[in-house]
Amino acid sequence: DTAVSQTPKYLVTQMGNDKSIKCEQNLGHDTMYWYKQDSKKFLKIMFSYNNKELIINETVPNRFSPKSPDKAHLNLHINSLELGDSAVYFCASSQVAGTGEAFFGQGTRLTVV
Amino acid sequence: GIQVEQSPPDLILQEGANSTLRCNFSDSVNNLQWFHQNPWGQLINLFYIPSGTKQNGRLSATTVATERYSLLYISSSQTTDSGVYFCAGASGGGSNYKLTFGKGTLLTVNP
Repeated sequence: DTAVSQTPKYLVTQMGNDKSIKCEQNLGHDTMYWYKQDSKKFLKIMFSYNNKELIINETVPNRFSPKSPDKAHLNLHINSLELGDSAVYFCASSQVAGTGEAFFGQGTRLTVV
Repeated sequence: GIQVEQSPPDLILQEGANSTLRCNFSDSVNNLQWFHQNPWGQLINLFYIPSGTKQNGRLSATTVATERYSLLYISSSQTTDSGVYFCAGASGGGSNYKLTFGKGTLLTVNP
């Protein structure tokens, strides 16, 4: 009974392709996030959505487009993939109207070749 | 901006040893979480600890919010404790809430 689940776990694709990562949370949280972990293990926020509304966009290239069909889902679509997009992408959720404690999915390792 | 600094960056222990990891954070941080990233890459919640002390088995954490630091204690370490330990400071109010991560402490526990 996974709280935050994302698919796929691994994604290998060629430069220039478009790909999507899906995320779902069953915690009833009001806010979802995408974080990127680079090759040095540094984790940085990309986006946050609160009740389907984009709140935070941390100067991410517009090739990255998050979409939240409902507050339990937050997908990440990436256009025209570049080598530098290779990283691990984590989805997370929290209840900002509560404690705010965040819970993370298992990550998606994206490799662009 | 938000600053979260962790020390040490790397730590190597023999099984059974104890260790203390430190996290310093800036004024604008109002909550703190500790995570363990295991060798398979999963980020596991250890503690949500804006202040005070919490314990969970061999792990405990203390946050002194007035002095802007948090400590994670690992006692009687086991090889399964290996991985990267992150602290993350929360900032922003309401829907602007987000976590800023430190660079982590890479812990290696040898048998």
